[in-house]
Amino acid sequence: KAGVTQTPRYLIKTRGQQVTLSCSPISGHRSVSWYQQTPGQGLQFLFEYFSETQRNKGNFPGRFSGRQFSNSRSEMNVSTLELGDSALYLCASSLGLAGTYEQYFGPGTRLTVT
Amino acid sequence: ILNVEQSPQSLHVQEGDSTNFTCSFPSSNFYALHWYRWETAKSPEALFVMTLNGDEKKKGRISATLNTKEGYSYLYIKGSQPEDSATYLCAFGGGSNYKLTFGKGTLLTVNP
Repeated sequence: KAGVTQTPRYLIKTRGQQVTLSCSPISGHRSVSWYQQTPGQGLQFLFEYFSETQRNKGNFPGRFSGRQFSNSRSEMNVSTLELGDSALYLCASSLGLAGTYEQYFGPGTRLTVT
Repeated sequence: ILNVEQSPQSLHVQEGDSTNFTCSFPSSNFYALHWYRWETAKSPEALFVMTLNGDEKKKGRISATLNTKEGYSYLYIKGSQPEDSATYLCAFGGGSNYKLTFGKGTLLTVNP
């Protein structure tokens, strides 16, 4: 069974630009969650999508948005990038809602904003 | 904002030592408590998902216990090996939408 994949793996953007990250979950998984990891902050929850609907949202500004498609693939968009958005972005998929089911994580996208 | 606290933040042990870490979480609106291991340059990997008060789970030399009434879980590693070196994350699943909230983790270093 193929694991969770994320593209791209590395990205360098300039402040003010926007970026779209992609996540393909394990086949059959309906929930996709996104997390931001920065040094000293641990995994900060961004949002969770289940069956194309946003079920939960973390405490991030509106510049962070996402969506999920009918095949459960998900994208995350960050507009008007700031230096502080430099981080590792992880997505995770699960059979059901994230709080109740084991999460399977992708390799992450390392975003650097200059 | 849900508070999930892990202690200690970091730990250095010698090969062969047994060790344990703590995760504390809200005792209300609980659904599940997760433990993950995150090795450097890899993705977090699930160890356990526990749902019942008094649950005990074991995988090889690693085990975990759960007390939902007082809001804590312990992770134990027996006879630590260098390959156990990693950050161990706990996450609380609960609230109205079963949201998953992670603690900041315990960084374990096992010296050979």
